[in-house]
Amino acid sequence: GNSVTQMEGPVTLSEEAFLTINCTYTATGYPSLFWYVQYPGEGLQLLLKATKADDKGSNKGFEATYRKETTSFHLEKGSVQVSDSAVYFCALSEGNTPLVFGKGTRLSVIA
Amino acid sequence: SAVISQKPSRDICQRGTSLTIQCQVDSQVTMMFWYRQQPGQSLTLIATANQGSEATYESGFVIDKFPISRPNLTFSTLTVSNMSPEDSSIYLCSAYSGTPYEQYFGPGTRLTVT
Repeated sequence: GNSVTQMEGPVTLSEEAFLTINCTYTATGYPSLFWYVQYPGEGLQLLLKATKADDKGSNKGFEATYRKETTSFHLEKGSVQVSDSAVYFCALSEGNTPLVFGKGTRLSVIA
Repeated sequence: SAVISQKPSRDICQRGTSLTIQCQVDSQVTMMFWYRQQPGQSLTLIATANQGSEATYESGFVIDKFPISRPNLTFSTLTVSNMSPEDSSIYLCSAYSGTPYEQYFGPGTRLTVT
């Protein structure tokens, strides 16, 4: 079955540091890939997505590129802010099937 | 996009009781799902709520424990029955609106069972 593996947290960075959160996937078909963010005490928000190989999703300074050859969708941001502190989930789906989530990575950014 | 609301936002319940969580979407959607997020964990799919028919449950979840209704294309309920402390979790409703490859989430219901 489909699955998502993402790097374990927590990740603690200083403000303006570079962020990478690794995500790899296993899928039987051609999935769409997503990053969701969950701020403290809130629900999930879609951060970015990519629907086919070599697509780059981007939003709020975050970006991730769909790499079919390495089955990866790593999340990056060049300069994190304290307000980026949250839990980040990598996920995949095929068509309108339910999302399959990774375990989540907690990011803490300190001033 | 779809805006999803859930009621209640949180509750504290006694073991052995049941709680029904409501999920309302601001537009008609094709698919609705219920997830559970146990403390510090990721999201686990409980079931797909099918309009006009019985829900489709994932392995490890059964209808007697988590009955689900979906009377129309904008509304669904999840009941957590005969609760125990292990049911303490955040329960999230989500919907697939048909916009390609986008699934939206409600704010969640934080349930504590004592």
